[in-house]
Amino acid sequence: GESVGLHLPTLSVQEGDNSIINCAYSNSASDYFIWYKQESGKGPQFIIDIRSNMDKRQGQRVTVLLNKTVKHLSLQIAATQPGDSAVYFCAEDGSSNTGKLIFGQGTTLQVKP
Amino acid sequence: EAQVTQNPRYLITVTGKKLTVTCSQNMNHEYMSWYRQDPGLGLRQIYYSMNVEVTDKGDVPEGYKVSRKEKRNFPLILESPSPNQTSLYFCASSNPRAGGRYGYTFGSGTRLTVV
Repeated sequence: GESVGLHLPTLSVQEGDNSIINCAYSNSASDYFIWYKQESGKGPQFIIDIRSNMDKRQGQRVTVLLNKTVKHLSLQIAATQPGDSAVYFCAEDGSSNTGKLIFGQGTTLQVKP
Repeated sequence: EAQVTQNPRYLITVTGKKLTVTCSQNMNHEYMSWYRQDPGLGLRQIYYSMNVEVTDKGDVPEGYKVSRKEKRNFPLILESPSPNQTSLYFCASSNPRAGGRYGYTFGSGTRLTVV
């Protein structure tokens, strides 16, 4: 069935290092993927998205990579800062733009000073 | 400012006492949805609405009702709350048919405790 999962529940990195958060998805028909950041006590916030016709998309300090062959999505954060500490979720839309997103369980990113 | 507004932020209630959590968005989004978030279970969809007067069940609809009489509002109703509905609730909206980016915009959350 459809599912989106994250490889690691918690990732701890040193401030200034790069972070890589991974996500595996099972629906090969999914054509739109999003990464969200959720800080403690807040709702998830959109970080970056990518469509299935792309392999890579860059934002400010963030890059999303999509490998459709192995159904893998990753979020790279450059020069990780304390403010990046949060739970990160990947989400997919496998339903041809109906709007329903399926969310992964989330990875907690801890940034050590 | 484009946003999704939920109220209340925190609510403690007793079993069986009907309650409504309101959700309003100012982005003219067609799609609205309610999620609950529980430790270890992630975000689970309760109900969603593709447009006015169009609602449908998500993955965990039992014990909940919704309505979509206007485009901007999508209230979540618990007719007879039970302790297993204690959770963190999020409302979200998007415009999937607008093309391009349509990731959800989430509200700030409502933490509900049913005793």
